[in-house]
Amino acid sequence: SQQGEEDPQALSIQEGENATMNCSYKTSINNLQWYRQNSGRGLVHLILIRSNEREKHSGRLRVTLDTSKKSSSLLITASRAADTASYFCARTGGGNKLTFGTGTQLKVEL
Amino acid sequence: DAMVIQNPRYQVTQFGKPVTLSCSQTLNHNVMYWYQQKSSQAPKLLFHYYDKDFNNEADTPDNFQSRRPNTSFCFLDIRSPGLGDAAMYLCATSGTYGLAPNEQFFGPGTRLTVL
Repeated sequence: SQQGEEDPQALSIQEGENATMNCSYKTSINNLQWYRQNSGRGLVHLILIRSNEREKHSGRLRVTLDTSKKSSSLLITASRAADTASYFCARTGGGNKLTFGTGTQLKVEL
Repeated sequence: DAMVIQNPRYQVTQFGKPVTLSCSQTLNHNVMYWYQQKSSQAPKLLFHYYDKDFNNEADTPDNFQSRRPNTSFCFLDIRSPGLGDAAMYLCATSGTYGLAPNEQFFGPGTRLTVL
């Protein structure tokens, strides 16, 4: 499969804790993106990291990229109940296609 | 606000009865995509348009067709829906093409039920 793999598949944490999600892929990339999907809704773009970048921050989000290991991680700090959603990584290898990973379902409990 | 709109949000059809899903955008993006997302799975690209140029994915069944009459609108036609076509259908747009970063903007999706 050309899809990326994400782990864990599901993650349950308490509000205020940090959440870390990992994404692995098999082929070379131009960039890697992370999207959030609330239940039954469309996807929302969170952050993009280019293949020549190693780390990127946006608010409470921190993304790392290790192209030698073909992996990326998304860290959400000080999580809130509103962060409950599915999170997908998506790679762009060339052209205009996004190939999505399998997703991590995050549940943040009060 | 600039956005991607999908209608209807929920669609129920009967086995074998043609159905059309619609997507419109106010972003003036030249690329529009259709994805199929089954329960607890990743979105799967069906096809995309770059302006009027149609690009079909190799594994998209012939049962799925698309039309883009103008920049703003794009339609997904399912000619003979089967039970396996029940899914969320997501429309997305992008203002870049080629090697530029391809951030995509998604609509809220249409959930299709096939009876």
